[in-house]
Amino acid sequence: SQQGEEDPQALSIQEGENATMNCSYKTSINNLQWYRQNSGRGLVHLILIRSNEREKHSGRLRVTLDTSKKSSSLLITASRAADTASYFCATEGAAGNKLTFGGGTRVLVKP
Amino acid sequence: EPEVTQTPSHQVTQMGQEVILRCVPISNHLYFYWYRQILGQKVEFLVSFYNNEISEKSEIFDDQFSVERPDGSNFTLKIRSTKLEDSAMYFCASSEETNTIYFGEGSWLTVV
Repeated sequence: SQQGEEDPQALSIQEGENATMNCSYKTSINNLQWYRQNSGRGLVHLILIRSNEREKHSGRLRVTLDTSKKSSSLLITASRAADTASYFCATEGAAGNKLTFGGGTRVLVKP
Repeated sequence: EPEVTQTPSHQVTQMGQEVILRCVPISNHLYFYWYRQILGQKVEFLVSFYNNEISEKSEIFDDQFSVERPDGSNFTLKIRSTKLEDSAMYFCASSEETNTIYFGEGSWLTVV
C-alpha cells in the first residue's frame, strides 16, 4: 500500500456507536495528523501525534500510533450524526514539512 | 481561532487562461503550502514555501505553476495556462515549524 492508507474505505454506524479507522504508512515520520473533511469543504485538523508518542486524546477522539507497525488508529467514541465526514490521515516525513495523505475513510453516522 | 482564508471559493476558467488563487495564511506562521484534491482522489502536495522561497515541490508543480508572497500577508498560486486536468480543489495551508498544518476551505477550480 502507499504511504498513508486508511482502512476501511467506508464505515456506516448508528449514532452512539464507536467508529474506528486505521492508517498504515511506509516510511519514517516526524508526526501523523488526522483531518476531517465534510463533502466539498476544507480539511479540519483533528489531532497530531508525534513519532515518540503512542496515544493521544482530544474530546471524543483517541489516536494511537505504533511506529513498529507503521500504523495509527483513530477512534471516535459515542458518534453523532455531525461526525459524518471523510477522515484522512497524513504523515509528515522525517525530511520535511510536507504531508502525505491517505485516501480517507468515509464515515456515515445514521441518526 | 486564527484561520487560513482563501479566495475565490470557486472559479470557472477557460482552458489556456491564467488563474491566480489567493491565500492569507495564519499571521505568525512561517511555512506555507499549496495542496490540491482532484474530485474523488487523494489530497496531493504541490509546494511548500519558507523564508521567501520554495523549499520543496512535487512533480505536479511544473513550469505552469508558480507561487508568490507579494506582501506580508498574501500567498498566491498562479497557473499560467490552465488545462482541463488542473480542475481540482486547491488548498492553501500554513504552519509553524514541525507542527500542526492548518488548511483553508479551498478554492474550487473548474477548467472548461
